[in-house]
Parts: sequence; C-alpha cells; structure tokens
Amino acid sequence: NAGVTQTPKFQVLKTGQSMTLQCAQDMNHNSMYWYRQDPGMGLRLIYYSASEGTTDKGEVPNGYNVSRLNKREFSLRLESAAPSQTSVYFCASSEADSEDLGNTEAFFGQGTRLTVV
Amino acid sequence: QKEVEQDPGPLSVPEGAIVSLNCTYSNSAFQYFMWYRQYSRKGPELLMYTYSSGNKEDGRFTAQVDKSSKYISLFIRDSQPSDSATYLCAQSHPFGNEKLTFGTGTRLTIIP
Repeated sequence: NAGVTQTPKFQVLKTGQSMTLQCAQDMNHNSMYWYRQDPGMGLRLIYYSASEGTTDKGEVPNGYNVSRLNKREFSLRLESAAPSQTSVYFCASSEADSEDLGNTEAFFGQGTRLTVV
Repeated sequence: QKEVEQDPGPLSVPEGAIVSLNCTYSNSAFQYFMWYRQYSRKGPELLMYTYSSGNKEDGRFTAQVDKSSKYISLFIRDSQPSDSATYLCAQSHPFGNEKLTFGTGTRLTIIP
C-alpha cells in the first residue's frame, strides 16, 4: 500500500549543481503536483499536471522544470540549484470525484529535504 | 493578498482543552474547504473537508465554514497529545480544477 513515493528523502547540493526529484504514485490518479514547504510560507505549488502529457505552472515555478513521464510518475528537476531552493519538497496526487469535481483529496509523499549550500 | 490566510502560531494548550484553529480566504468562488494534518517530518494527510457553509463533525473534530465572513474553523474537543501536529487549511479551486491552495499552517502542541 505504497501511495505516493518520493526519492530521495534527503539531498545536499552545491550551488549550481543539478538534480531530479522522483515521484511515483500507485493509485491511478490523473492529477499530480509538486509543492515546496518553507517555514512561515506554507505549501506553495510549483507545478501541476492534470494528466499524462500536460503540465502547468503553479505559484513558484522559476528555477524548476517537470516531466510527467507517464500516469504514475512526475519528476521535478533543478537545473542549477540555488540556496533559495533549500526547502522540503512534497509530491502529491489526487483524483476528483467524477460527480463532484471540487471534492478532491490530495495524497502526499513523505517529502524530500533539500539543502543547497 | 494571499488567497488563504492562517495564523502560524505556534499554539500550545493543555491536554483536554478545546482547540480552535482558524483561516480566512479571499476568493468567494471557493466551495470546498479542507483541513490537513501534518505530523513532524511527514507529508500532510486529509483530516476533514466541508462543502459550502455549515458544520461537519467527525469524532472530536468539528469543521465550520462561514461563507458570509469567509472564515473557516477547526475545533478539537478533549485534545490529546497525539493531536500535536501542524494543521493546514486548504481550498480546492472551483470549476473542476483540482489544485489546492493551502494556508501557512498552525503548529499545535498539546501539553500532557
């Protein structure tokens, strides 16, 4: 009963390095999300994918790229990491009630703690 | 103005007390209102959701929405140390868009 799985759980990068955060869900959900969580800022949406092959920018997309590889997987890439990207990153997935589209429960992974030095 | 405003706390109360957590929102088109609970170093999990105005009760938890004042509340009765967590209010966007907008979260500690 895995739900949403994120890898890695922890990562330390040097400024300018690149990396990809991986996310996979086994609930057959269409929608997937990447959030970052910072003290005093709450959860802020980075990118969103409503279905395989589609992605949309969220509130804070600068410095990030995403790939919806298939229905299960949604990756987040930092091309050139900056200290301002030090954060906890959460991947989530959801599937709206087909008869009640606003009724959405998002399922979150355990998070990736990223430090950029 | 942020779409969802929430007092970050922290909030500490003795075990057994009634806890009141609150959010305000700015977009009157929101219809669904949710509370997520996040334990330390874990991802958020849905605790309760309500639709439009009114109350919804689930055990010791009551979610309340007042659309006239754009105010959302979560009440916890007979609080327990296991309720210690960060509580985030959230709204789902209308018209079938599943994106959620979260408040900043309130860190709650229940003191035994």
